[in-house]
Amino acid sequence: DGGITQSPKYLFRKEGQNVTLSCEQNLNHDAMYWYRQDPGQGLRLIYYSQIVNDFQKGDIAEGYSVSREKKESFPLTVTSAQKNPTAFYLCASTEGWSSEKLFFGSGTQLSVL
Amino acid sequence: GENVEQHPSTLSVQEGDSAVIKCTYSDSASNYFPWYKQELGKGPQLIIDIRSNVGEKKDQRIAVTLNKTAKHFSLHITETQPEDSAVYFCALGGGYQKVTFGTGTKLQVIP
Repeated sequence: DGGITQSPKYLFRKEGQNVTLSCEQNLNHDAMYWYRQDPGQGLRLIYYSQIVNDFQKGDIAEGYSVSREKKESFPLTVTSAQKNPTAFYLCASTEGWSSEKLFFGSGTQLSVL
Repeated sequence: GENVEQHPSTLSVQEGDSAVIKCTYSDSASNYFPWYKQELGKGPQLIIDIRSNVGEKKDQRIAVTLNKTAKHFSLHITETQPEDSAVYFCALGGGYQKVTFGTGTKLQVIP
């Protein structure tokens, strides 16, 4: 089945540590996105990529970094500069940049030790 | 920027009853209004959407209505079932338009 795979499902970060969240899709979609979800809030866009080797900052990019070296992969690194990283992180994709329907992965819950 | 208000934040209904979730927005340029369902521990999934040239759309037990003049759109679920229990998000935009999500409604269907 085609879809988006996020790993790990749960992740713990120590203070001062960088951690990387994995996102892989086999939908052959061009565009990929990272959202952050906090309790009682809507999803907020961290970074997005319209095409391989290109990515743009979203609304809350500070303390995060991404790469898009392959079409199917869009890893997110939460750096030590992100002072409040505890949240549920969702990776998503669309068929093309102009496509409206978002397909989401199952998410990664990141917590700080 | 665009703002979307979603109400209520929580909703409990008896199985078989109807549930209504409403969203209001401020940007009149929006022309795509999707609704996503998020089950516990999973990512959101698109369940229905509506465009600005349509007032109502129905898909089995779920329907969405749009009032562009009043700038609000609503999700209606009829004959609710326990598997409808989830968090529902309204959203504006998509494609070339930036997507703005509502804050979510936790629906609990009581058997």
